[in-house]
Amino acid sequence: GAGVSQSPRYKVAKRGQDVALRCDPISGHVSLFWYQQALGQGPEFLTYFQNEAQLDKSGLPSDRFFAERPEGSVSTLKIQRTQQEDSAVYLCASSLVHTGELFFGEGSRLTVL
Amino acid sequence: GENVEQHPSTLSVQEGDSAVIKCTYSDSASNYFPWYKQELGKRPQLIIDIRSNVGEKKDQRIAVTLNKTAKHFSLHITETQPEDSAVYFCAASSGDYKLSFGAGTTVTVRA
Repeated sequence: GAGVSQSPRYKVAKRGQDVALRCDPISGHVSLFWYQQALGQGPEFLTYFQNEAQLDKSGLPSDRFFAERPEGSVSTLKIQRTQQEDSAVYLCASSLVHTGELFFGEGSRLTVL
Repeated sequence: GENVEQHPSTLSVQEGDSAVIKCTYSDSASNYFPWYKQELGKRPQLIIDIRSNVGEKKDQRIAVTLNKTAKHFSLHITETQPEDSAVYFCAASSGDYKLSFGAGTTVTVRA
């Protein structure tokens, strides 16, 4: 595909449910990022992968959040036992190198009821 | 960590007028400053960026200026058009992988 693809675009979960959000980066992009964007705010860094290695997970809000990129391409962000405060848009971005331009996906909007 | 503040939070301009958005950053080691435009329900897209070895960069109707001493940078849009209406985010990075974003400015261009 031409750009970063994310699915699902919209997800409604009941509090306590587990969710999984998928990101397909641009082919060949080494670096992959997850950001959380609350309503009316800028994106906040969650985690960073270089190929399959998760080099930084300092932005993950709690141990309920887990991300993986096992083969260095597709990535999944998993949130266990969702809480209302997890409601946000989760943006995935990729770049050719870690200091290069970030290309964002359209995001997955999570609503926790 | 880096802290980026952005002002104003909303900006309404008449079509054809200029728009200016200002950001300040806290980490003096920051050396990369991109600006992203996000239309409603769409992905953020890079519109212009500047690195710390230059003070100004221009691309058609948009320009960015950087004052490293004062730790602030600004986005200037001239001859605004309705399609410029969007949310604009500034960001800063110290050259590693982590971008810190401002809270965004909602720009509305009145016809």
